[in-house]
Amino acid sequence: SQQGEEDPQALSIQEGENATMNCSYKTSINNLQWYRQNSGRGLVHLILIRSNEREKHSGRLRVTLDTSKKSSSLLITASRAADTASYFCATAPLRFGMRFGAGTRLTVKP
Amino acid sequence: AAGVIQSPRHLIKEKRETATLKCYPIPRHDTVYWYQQGPGQDPQFLISFYEKMQSDKGSIPDRFSAQQFSDYHSELNMSSLELGDSALYFCASSRLEAETQYFGPGTRLLVL
Repeated sequence: SQQGEEDPQALSIQEGENATMNCSYKTSINNLQWYRQNSGRGLVHLILIRSNEREKHSGRLRVTLDTSKKSSSLLITASRAADTASYFCATAPLRFGMRFGAGTRLTVKP
Repeated sequence: AAGVIQSPRHLIKEKRETATLKCYPIPRHDTVYWYQQGPGQDPQFLISFYEKMQSDKGSIPDRFSAQQFSDYHSELNMSSLELGDSALYFCASSRLEAETQYFGPGTRLLVL
């Protein structure tokens, strides 16, 4: 199975700062996805980047993918208190279950 | 937009009892996935179904079984419940030829 591992495990920043989270995986992939989870709630899909893409943007989110290093990063710019959540990367072939890493717990202080 | 529906949202059971969780995918989604998330842990994939056939299997205990019905909804049956089964159980769905999985709000199971 393929599994993403997040780094750091916990990150605490001030509102307005940027937050960067990293993810590594073990095997070849077709795509990598990032999800957000507020405490005890469901996972919300943030962004999907395909293996032939190097960078993707969505609003304040910027995701990069380096398939040679089997790593990805998620950058949240101008963070807000509402961004406080756990962030997971995950990979899965079509119709296969996703394997998640431990996630990064982000705290944005007002 | 319609989302994945899970029922019940909360469930309390005694050890050795059985539980059935239900999942209604987003309309026109043909694939359903089940995940388990223990307290403070990352989600663990259990099992998935595509067009009523099992498409992938993860760390699902033998005490658990699942199926997808003709209307694409799915049920996760859990027997001989153990204390360690207390967790959030998520269902997700995806549509034909799309990789993105959309998650439901989860069912919180507490086994006493």
